[in-house]
Amino acid sequence: GENVEQHPSTLSVQEGDSAVIKCTYSDSASNYFPWYKQELGKGPQLIIDIRSNVGEKKDQRIAVTLNKTAKHFSLHITETQPEDSAVYFCAASMGYNFNKFYFGSGTKLNVKP
Amino acid sequence: ETGVTQSPTHLIKTRGQQVTLRCSSQSGHNTVSWYQQALGQGPQFIFQYYREEENGRGNFPPRFSGLQFPNYSSELNVNALELDDSALYLCASSLDLTPGLTPNYGYTFGSGTRLTVV
Repeated sequence: GENVEQHPSTLSVQEGDSAVIKCTYSDSASNYFPWYKQELGKGPQLIIDIRSNVGEKKDQRIAVTLNKTAKHFSLHITETQPEDSAVYFCAASMGYNFNKFYFGSGTKLNVKP
Repeated sequence: ETGVTQSPTHLIKTRGQQVTLRCSSQSGHNTVSWYQQALGQGPQFIFQYYREEENGRGNFPPRFSGLQFPNYSSELNVNALELDDSALYLCASSLDLTPGLTPNYGYTFGSGTRLTVV
């Protein structure tokens, strides 16, 4: 079955530095890749997404890149702030389904003031 | 605007018992998906309901079952609970025009139900 691998599992950065989280997927039919932020006691919240016909997407301090040939995608957060501290999950759509996902195992990001 | 609400927030059950978890969709959404999130792991897809019909199922045994009601709220039922069923159960609602084939609108997660099986 589909496997989404996510690295690193934990990431500690100084406030103002950049953070990068990387994921790989195995289902070549996956064509939609959302990223979620999960804070303690809450459900995952969508922060950015990218479709397979796009190589890069940016939204203020957050950007996502996709290499469909290599089947990997990455989340980039610049100018990190303490409120960015949370667990981040990458996800890949189950084939062409836009509403069923395989999730990575998560990255716990700690931004030190 | 109402979000996705799940109840109860926490639950403790004994091995072998049955449990029902509930999810109220965000207003205007017609699709509900359920996920199991074990501690320290990412969510795993259990199944999805679109307009009261099951629309896809993950690798979970038949003792995991669900329902969706005409108001698009949903239930997840788990029979014969096992210790490994201890997890956070998440539901997500969305508005899907043609299930899975058109971009979903507002795929929104609830805060989950923390189930502990002892």
